[in-house]
Amino acid sequence: GAGVSQSPSNKVTEKGKDVELRCDPISGHTALYWYRQSLGQGLEFLIYFQGNSAPDKSGLPSDRFSAERTGGSVSTLTIQRTQQEDSAVYLCASSQTPHSNQPQHFGDGTRLSIL
Amino acid sequence: AQKITQTQPGMFVQEKEAVTLDCTYDTSDPSYGLFWYKQPSSGEMIFLIYQGSYDQQNATEGRYSLNFQKARKSANLVISASQLGDSAMYFCAMRFVTSGTYKYIFGTGTRLKVLA
Repeated sequence: GAGVSQSPSNKVTEKGKDVELRCDPISGHTALYWYRQSLGQGLEFLIYFQGNSAPDKSGLPSDRFSAERTGGSVSTLTIQRTQQEDSAVYLCASSQTPHSNQPQHFGDGTRLSIL
Repeated sequence: AQKITQTQPGMFVQEKEAVTLDCTYDTSDPSYGLFWYKQPSSGEMIFLIYQGSYDQQNATEGRYSLNFQKARKSANLVISASQLGDSAMYFCAMRFVTSGTYKYIFGTGTRLKVLA
């Protein structure tokens, strides 16, 4: 597509449920990134993919968080047993490569609310 | 440890005036990239400008310029001839390599309000 697409745009769920967030990057972009933005805060870097591989998963907040990317395209971020502190906007971005001067193009985010 | 600091939580500027948004960073990696992004109230993140650590010239993109002072580890964004549409949150970010992988950190942002 023309831009990075994220779904759903909003998700409200009960504490303890699992949620799956989807990101469809710009066609041809090999690098894909996940961020979390809590209310009024900056962006917290979670993970990035180069192709289908995630070289470093240490940015994921806990073992309840996992991410995968298949076919070098769509990525899903899964949060298991959600907690209220997981409430945030989850942003996905992609770039042609992860290298230095390549800007990231962001999606509109998924606003996650845990009741 | 790598760090990005934006010390101005909020700024006001009169329309058509220039404004400087501060950003300082800390890294021991000699190779890094610095980015500025704009986030309007609608929420989307928009890339504005990039500066590489080895770039000799300050980056410019239209009304945006980056005042890169490597020795002081600062990468301030200058917006010339401010417009009402420039009102937004502005984030400074740094890309670096650690343990052979890329990472990005963002500052806490500066909210800019352009006054008519």
